[in-house]
Amino acid sequence: DSGVTQTPKHLITATGQRVTLRCSPRSGDLSVYWYQQSLDQGLQFLIQYYNGEERAKGNILERFSAQQFPDLHSELNLSSLELGDSALYFCASSVTANTGELFFGEGSRLTVL
Amino acid sequence: GEDVEQSLFLSVREGDSSVINCTYTDSSSTYLYWYKQEPGAGLQLLTYIFSNMDMKQDQRLTVLLNKKDKHLSLRIADTQTGDSAIYFCAENERGGADGLTFGKGTHLIIQP
Repeated sequence: DSGVTQTPKHLITATGQRVTLRCSPRSGDLSVYWYQQSLDQGLQFLIQYYNGEERAKGNILERFSAQQFPDLHSELNLSSLELGDSALYFCASSVTANTGELFFGEGSRLTVL
Repeated sequence: GEDVEQSLFLSVREGDSSVINCTYTDSSSTYLYWYKQEPGAGLQLLTYIFSNMDMKQDQRLTVLLNKKDKHLSLRIADTQTGDSAIYFCAENERGGADGLTFGKGTHLIIQP
């Protein structure tokens, strides 16, 4: 158990809809990362927050947004969903912002029909 | 081209050594990482190496780094069935400013 909690574990929705994925980092970790894992693209870095502030942005679509709340949990919002958004979305956390020692949750599997 | 490249599959016999290879592009990466993903689980950090090191050993794991060729390898001695997983190589480009960049992962298949 990494200590990172993601909900929901599975989500099935239709094209055009909007979903919210939730992540609770490990106790004491200030940084949260979101990654998208798909068969063709592999693991793609989406966005990072540190202590409530956006710190780095990767290949995140404009239809997607995220935030980190004062209690350090994070949410990833995916809107106007397309079939190609079907993927496993991972949240990871770390103590500091500039480290590669990440602790990953078990992921949220999104299926868009 | 991709920033981090790995072979997609590796098949080894139980008890043999497994060697998983990776090439990366960013020479400014301070650390290079190996993560393991078991079926239905998230990624788990296995080991890492600082860029000024050539080798790091940790029990059955040996990491070799050839900085000149930007080549990283992970050797697993005495491979067991429990080692069956996907292994990801990762670099922290720009000193980690843009998150970790992962390879697509190598599926390690253990033959009895």
